[in-house]
Amino acid sequence: DAGVTQSPTHLIKTRGQQVTLRCSPKSGHDTVSWYQQALGQGPQFIFQYYEEEERQRGNFPDRFSGHQYPNYSSELNVNALLLGDSALYLCASRRGTGADTGELFFGEGSRLTVL
Amino acid sequence: DAKTTQPPSMDCAEGRAANLPCNHSTISGNEYVYWYRQIHSQGPQYIIHGLKNNETNEMASLIITEDRKSSTLILPHATLRDTAVYYCIVRRLISNFGNEKLTFGTGTRLTIIP
Repeated sequence: DAGVTQSPTHLIKTRGQQVTLRCSPKSGHDTVSWYQQALGQGPQFIFQYYEEEERQRGNFPDRFSGHQYPNYSSELNVNALLLGDSALYLCASRRGTGADTGELFFGEGSRLTVL
Repeated sequence: DAKTTQPPSMDCAEGRAANLPCNHSTISGNEYVYWYRQIHSQGPQYIIHGLKNNETNEMASLIITEDRKSSTLILPHATLRDTAVYYCIVRRLISNFGNEKLTFGTGTRLTIIP
């Protein structure tokens, strides 16, 4: 049973470019969240998708957008890249809704470097 | 959102119990306490979670104070593979439709010493 898979694992972009990161949730999971982890910092919540809709959003500008497909996979798009967008981007998934629905599974992340 | 406070670093001798504290004094009634750890350059790994009762699983024990303002993660017999950054997280449930937000703390860098 594959866990959360993310692609690409590493990528380099230049300022002003756009990037798309992809995530396949763990089998049976329907909720996907994205996090940004700058070097030496804890992960910061970007947004969460459930039933193909953005359900909650952290303190990130509109340059950060996402999508969830009917098969529950998800994409994170970042436009007009800034040097400060360099980070490890983590995708996390879980199953179900409601209280105490158990653990969140994280992928290994996509490391984005903006030059 | 409730904030968490953790010591930046701790050492523990191999084979001993590692006790990692977390302060979450502003936690509200519908917020859970989760613990994750992150080994260098890997994604965070779930350890344990709880609401108000103490919890135990094959990896660790979680002790939550009666007023829920702090908790302690206990790794009963630490090994070198337990060296990682440990995050105490307060999970806020907005509704029953999957809305949630994990707010990571600063993390504790635990080093297991041979």
